[in-house]
Amino acid sequence: EPEVTQTPSHQVTQMGQEVILRCVPISNHLYFYWYRQILGQKVEFLVSFYNNEISEKSEIFDDQFSVERPDGSNFTLKIRSTKLEDSAMYFCASSQTSLDTGELFFGEGSRLTVL
Amino acid sequence: DAKTTQPNSMESNEEEPVHLPCNHSTISGTDYIHWYRQLPSQGPEYVIHGLTSNVNNRMASLAIAEDRKSSTLILHRATLRDAAVYYCILSIYNQGGKLIFGQGTELSVKP
Repeated sequence: EPEVTQTPSHQVTQMGQEVILRCVPISNHLYFYWYRQILGQKVEFLVSFYNNEISEKSEIFDDQFSVERPDGSNFTLKIRSTKLEDSAMYFCASSQTSLDTGELFFGEGSRLTVL
Repeated sequence: DAKTTQPNSMESNEEEPVHLPCNHSTISGTDYIHWYRQLPSQGPEYVIHGLTSNVNNRMASLAIAEDRKSSTLILHRATLRDAAVYYCILSIYNQGGKLIFGQGTELSVKP
C-alpha cells in the first residue's frame, strides 16, 4: 500500500539552527500538508500546498517556516532558526483530491527536539 | 472555525460495537464531517468522512443526524487494534485542507 514517508524520524538540534524535514508524498497526490503535535497536545495544522504554492497557512507558520517541493517528489519543511518551542512531532500528509472529497494520508512523523 | 465536542474517553469490550458521538451544532451547510484516529506513537489515520448521508467503508460507518448537528462513528466490532484517539473534525469548504483537531475521544478496548 502506498504511504507517505518522512525523514529523519528523529532530529536533535541546537536552538537557532536551521532544520529541514523531508517528506515523500504518495506519487499521484496533488495536495500536500504539514501538521505538528507538541508532546501531549493536539495535532495542529501548519500549512497546505497545491500547484506549487501555499493554499492555506496557520498563525504558527510564521516567517521562520517555509515549504518547498524542489523536485516533484519531495516536499520539505524548513525552520530557519529553531526555538525551544518548535520541539514537536511534525507530520507530513498528502491527498489526491481536495480535502472536501478526499482523505489525507499522514506519514509516521519526524520528531524534532530543540535543545 | 466550527467546533466539535466529543467525550474525553470511552471504553469498549473487544468484538462489541462502539458508538463514538460527536456534536457540531455550529456546522454550516458546506462543512464536511471527517473522522481520523491516532494510534499511540503514530500519525493520524483517516477513518471516514461525509456531508449529509450516512457513509460506510471497510473500517467504520458514519451516521449523520438529519439536522447535521451531530454524528456518530460506529465501529462494528472493536478489536484491540482499534484502541486510539478518535477525532471528529469539520473541514471548512474551500479552505485549503485545514483540519482543526480537537482533543478527541480516547477509546480503550478491553479483551
